Parts: sequence; C-alpha cells; structure tokens
Amino acid sequence: QSALTQPASVSGSPGQSITISCTRSGSDVGDDNYVSWYQQHPGKAPKLMMYDVTKRPSGVSNRFSGSKSGNTASLTISGLQTEDEADYYCSSYTSRSRTWVFGGGTKLTVL
Amino acid sequence: EVQLVESGGGLVQPGRSLRLSCVASGFTFDAHAMYWVRQAPGKGLEWVSGITWNSNIVAYADSVKGRFTISRDNAKNSLYLQMNSLRPEDTAFYYCAKALTYYTSGTPWDWGQGTLVTVSS
Repeated sequence: QSALTQPASVSGSPGQSITISCTRSGSDVGDDNYVSWYQQHPGKAPKLMMYDVTKRPSGVSNRFSGSKSGNTASLTISGLQTEDEADYYCSSYTSRSRTWVFGGGTKLTVL
Repeated sequence: EVQLVESGGGLVQPGRSLRLSCVASGFTFDAHAMYWVRQAPGKGLEWVSGITWNSNIVAYADSVKGRFTISRDNAKNSLYLQMNSLRPEDTAFYYCAKALTYYTSGTPWDWGQGTLVTVSS
C-alpha cells in the first residue's frame, strides 16, 4: 500500500506563509486527483480544508491553497493567524484497493 | 446541519468483540458512502474502512482486514463497525465520516466527534 510522508512540524509567525508537503511512496500508485487536507485542533474532530488537490470547501478561508507536483502534494497557508495553529493531515485515495491513507500529520506552530 | 453521532465505545479485553454505531442526520444518508477512521490517543489518523451507498463495495485497511466488518442500514440512517479479535493496538478514538459522493472515492467530508475504544486487560 501507499504511504504519505509529512514533516512532523512546521512553524511561522503571524502574517507569514508556510507550506506543508505530503509525499507519496510505495507500490500502489494513488489516484492523482484524490488528495485532501484536514485541520485538527486538540480534542476536536478533523475538519476538511482542501479536496481534489486544489478545491476549497465552502467556508474555508482563501488563505488556504493546495497544489501538487509529481508525487508531492502541498498545502499553503498564507497570512498565518494564531487560530491556524493545529495538526494538519493529508490523505490520498487508491482506486485499485479502494482505500484511503493518511499522512502522519504535521504540527503547525504559529509563533 | 450534518450530524454524525458515534456510540458503542468502551473498555474491552483483548480478543473480545465490540460493535460501533453511527447515526446520521441532516443529509440524505443513502446518497453517500461512509467511512470509519480511527486515531490512537496522541497519534495520527488511520483510515479503517469504507462502504458504498448501497453496501455493494466495502474496503478495509490491512491492519483490520479479517477482523472488522463494516455495514450500514439505510432505513435507519446508521453505519456500523463490528470489531472482533480486538488487540491493544486497536485502542483509539473511532470517527464516523461521510463521503462526498456515493462511492468510496469520495473525500471524507463531515466527521462525527468520535467514540473511544480501549482494549486492555
């Protein structure tokens, strides 16, 4: 099965931009367009922030954007705000096995 | 408003069974695939299982294949996870999630608040 690798942590100051990467590896090739990103605050359920690589659900700030190059997807947060401090997870779908996989998560600290 | 309410968690001994339930409201339940995703305390998310809108296709993570069974009852707007031969490493919060579409390719969109399963002697 595929594995998704994220940096354990990233940090930035209010107003700055940061990018979280998500690199796919393994024998199963994930479907290119099925990449999602989730935000999770402590003690809360995950919240969908980006889907199909670049699409933003209604209500999600346009400070969040997604992209993909080769086997690496990225989530960029511009104009960092203190409320952005959370854990972020990428996920990807593999149609051959009909399974989803999550990355290990990235802890974003807003200094 | 979409609501997903999980129940059935608790403390169970290794090797025993547990059945989780998720009651859905606020959307047309039989128009969406559904998922179970778990999270061990202090750890990351792990996709567990998915089921299409009509139950024709189910899928499992390798870590639970052969031990867990996902099912749904569209008449009751309910999703289930039968967990057998439980292991300590199955200890986690179990979240029910609604897919964007009918099929298991649909992005996990809305999530419940989770129910805690603790496997320990």
